Amino acid sequence: GENVEQHPSTLSVQEGDSAVIKCTYSDSASNYFPWYKQELGKGPQLIIDIRSNVGEKKDQRIAVTLNKTAKHFSLHITETQPEDSAVYFCAASSINTGTASKLTFGTGTRLQVTL
Amino acid sequence: NAGVMQNPRHLVRRRGQEARLRCSPMKGHSHVYWYRQLPEEGLKFMVYLQKENIIDESGMPKERFSAEFPKEGPSILRIQQVVRGDSAAYFCGTGSSYNEQFFGPGTRLTVL
Repeated sequence: GENVEQHPSTLSVQEGDSAVIKCTYSDSASNYFPWYKQELGKGPQLIIDIRSNVGEKKDQRIAVTLNKTAKHFSLHITETQPEDSAVYFCAASSINTGTASKLTFGTGTRLQVTL
Repeated sequence: NAGVMQNPRHLVRRRGQEARLRCSPMKGHSHVYWYRQLPEEGLKFMVYLQKENIIDESGMPKERFSAEFPKEGPSILRIQQVVRGDSAAYFCGTGSSYNEQFFGPGTRLTVL
């Protein structure tokens, strides 16, 4: 089955700096890679995703890159703000037309944005 | 998270009792996934259901755990004869065919 590794487990940055979180996956059939933000006591919130036919996707201060050959993908947050502090999870799945599939999650990165 | 409802938010059970966790999908979603999360860990897949069908239960323990998603009403994850190791946060994610999964707020189960 799929295995997703995520690094680092904790990350502390100063407000305004950039944060980068990296994930690797093992199953070459995986073609959908979402990122979730989880605040304390809440459910995971989808913040951005990328499919394997795209190498990069950006949404305001958040961007995700995908390297299919190396089987890794990364989340980039620019101009970090205190409200970005949370636990971030990457995930991988294999999605085909008309079907859906479970997500395999990484172990999470606790991001702390300091003033 | 908007639209995916889970209840109860917190559930306390004594060892040997039954726990029933409910998930109402976002409007238009017919796929339900249940995940378990232990403290400081990622979500672990348990079971995937569509209306009245279990599609993938490869992550769900064979004993004591069951799930259903009836034609009418919410999806239910049922844990019989709970043990302390069942204490965790249980999340459901819902989606439509090959699209994103959106998660509910979770049910935090504590087994005394």
